[in-house]
Amino acid sequence: DTAVSQTPKYLVTQMGNDKSIKCEQNLGHDTMYWYKQDSKKFLKIMFSYNNKELIINETVPNRFSPKSPDKAHLNLHINSLELGDSAVYFCASSPSSWAETQYFGPGTRLLVL
Amino acid sequence: GQSLEQPSEVTAVEGAIVQINCTYQTSGFYGLSWYQQHDGGAPTFLSYNALDGLEETGRFSSFLSRSDSYGYLLLQELQMKDSASYFCAVRDSSYKLIFGSGTRLLVRP
Repeated sequence: DTAVSQTPKYLVTQMGNDKSIKCEQNLGHDTMYWYKQDSKKFLKIMFSYNNKELIINETVPNRFSPKSPDKAHLNLHINSLELGDSAVYFCASSPSSWAETQYFGPGTRLLVL
Repeated sequence: GQSLEQPSEVTAVEGAIVQINCTYQTSGFYGLSWYQQHDGGAPTFLSYNALDGLEETGRFSSFLSRSDSYGYLLLQELQMKDSASYFCAVRDSSYKLIFGSGTRLLVRP
C-alpha cells in the first residue's frame, strides 16, 4: 500500500550513460514532481506535471527529460550522465498544484562514476 | 532572487523545547510549510501556515508572521526520534515550493 514509489532505489552508473528513474503514486493525485537533493541536502524542484501536462520546468539541463504517460506515473530520463548529476532524486505528488501538502517517494540515490 | 534562511544546526536535550526559525524572501507568497527528513529518508510534511499566527499539531507548532517574512517551528517534549533535518518551504507566486537549506536537529539524552 505504498503511496509514492520510485525505482530503482539505488543507481550506480558510468559517466556518459543514459538512465531512467520511474515514479508511481496510488493516491489519485493530479500533480507530480521531481526534486533533486544534493550532497548538502539542498532540495530543489526540477519539474512538475499536472494531469500529464508540464507546468513547472526549472532551469535544468535538457539532458533531463520527464515523461508522464498518465497522471499516476512520472518518469525521469537522463542522457549523457555527468559527475554533477550524482544526487538523490525524489518524486512527489499532491492532490492539486496548489495543495499545501506534498507526499514524497523514498528517493533514488544516483551515483555517477 | 528567492531565499530562505534557517540555522544549519541546532542541538537540544531530550524533553526540552526547541525553536527553528525561518526567514524568507520570495517572489510572491502563498504559505510556509515545514518538512521533516530523517537521514536516508524522504521529506514528510509537518505543517502549513497561510495566515499569521500559531498552528498546533501535537508536540509540534508552527508560527507565521507575513509582515516580518518570518516563521518558526516549535518542537516540545523533544524525543530522540525527533533528531532529523527540518526544512521550511515557501510556496511562491507560481505555486512552486522553494525549500530552505534545512536545519539539522540533534537531540541528546
